[in-house]
Amino acid sequence: AQSVAQPEDQVNVAEGNPLTVKCTYSVSGNPYLFWYVQYPNRGLQFLLKYITGDNLVKGSYGFEAEFNKSQTSFHLKKPSALVSDSALYFCAVRDGPGSARQLTFGSGTQLTVLP
Amino acid sequence: GAGVSQSPRYKVAKRGQDVALRCDPISGHVSLFWYQQALGQGPEFLTYFQNEAQLDKSGLPSDRFFAERPEGSVSTLKIQRTQQEDSAVYLCASSFRQIATDTQYFGPGTRLTVL
Repeated sequence: AQSVAQPEDQVNVAEGNPLTVKCTYSVSGNPYLFWYVQYPNRGLQFLLKYITGDNLVKGSYGFEAEFNKSQTSFHLKKPSALVSDSALYFCAVRDGPGSARQLTFGSGTQLTVLP
Repeated sequence: GAGVSQSPRYKVAKRGQDVALRCDPISGHVSLFWYQQALGQGPEFLTYFQNEAQLDKSGLPSDRFFAERPEGSVSTLKIQRTQQEDSAVYLCASSFRQIATDTQYFGPGTRLTVL
């Protein structure tokens, strides 16, 4: 079975400061990991994914995420937060190439960037 | 290009009514997924299509839920005899191929409220 945990329901950060949104996962094989962002009354927008290779993945809007196999983590980061980054962020996992095709999502982290 | 579209965006139903939710995936995308997102939660998998074949319906919560994709493009999720616990946002996603590494692109969702 595959699962994802986002330990923080809410993250607040000042504009211009670095931000981190945490995610840990559990799979039986090799994980495929994804980050999505959701703005109010809108669907999920894809930010980035880790499949294999370099542990640091760069994505849209200046976001990046670091895959850490030993800690089973995939934290989302951005060097300098913008007020417009305020949204709901979801981490998702799929358990390897032979797995079911659906994503398993975490419960989400509400990011608020304060001006 | 055009993304995933869903209609209606909002639906209010009286308990016991039948509803039909439509999804238009990105043109040419083989895989189509339906997810249910309850308030304050991450999306949860309902069902998966590869072209017109429904390969996984393990997430459908009851036999009142039915999905189809008869021509391998547009999909409809039907809920019969709606109950209050069916109130949620229903998200549709599509991906280009049927492999596990492919990114799923989400529509804006249909918010269903059952009174």
